[in-house]
Amino acid sequence: GAVVSQHPSRVICKSGTSVKIECRSLDFQATTMFWYRQFPKQSLMLMATSNEGSKATYEQGVEKDKFLINHASLTLSTLTVTSAHPEDSSFYICSARAGPRGFQETQYFGPGTRLLVL
Amino acid sequence: TQLLEQSPQFLSIQEGENLTVYCNSSSVFSSLQWYRQEPGEGPVLLVTVVTGGEVKKLKRLTFQFGDARKDSSLHITAAQPGDTGLYLCAAPTDSWGKLQFGAGTQVVVTP
Repeated sequence: GAVVSQHPSRVICKSGTSVKIECRSLDFQATTMFWYRQFPKQSLMLMATSNEGSKATYEQGVEKDKFLINHASLTLSTLTVTSAHPEDSSFYICSARAGPRGFQETQYFGPGTRLLVL
Repeated sequence: TQLLEQSPQFLSIQEGENLTVYCNSSSVFSSLQWYRQEPGEGPVLLVTVVTGGEVKKLKRLTFQFGDARKDSSLHITAAQPGDTGLYLCAAPTDSWGKLQFGAGTQVVVTP
């Protein structure tokens, strides 16, 4: 089956620094990648949709200047949390979809990145 | 607003017992998916149901999609400790396939 990786798997940083999280599709080309955030004991909340070569579309309430998304190639999307603060501490998960057929295409999820901001 | 309501939120059972998790909505969906997530990992797709009234079986797991495509259930027969995890239902909310997740049901199966 399709494999999606994330790097790093966990990161601890000081308040005010920026953190970059990578999401890679290892054995397929992903036209669309999605970024989710999951707080403890809660479900996944979609943050943004990223299409290769175009600007990301952010969900309501998600600051696009704080969460920078770059989908520069068909196998890589990055999420940069700028000037991170303790309230940004969360589990960040990406998913990737191969085709353009929207809901008919399966999303494959990465293993997640645990971010802890001190 | 939560489009998908999952119940119960938490379920603790003994090994060998059966359990059912529900996912309900007032909206009609083109398809619905069930995932299992373990701590510190991403969700893993279990099944996708697309036809109203559809029943799919995956070993001891039985998934049903309501006739009106507004609700779904997951039934586990003779649960085992390995079934422990967070079970999430999800459905696409637009033609691009953006997924809305339910709040999840934490299942704990003790030996």
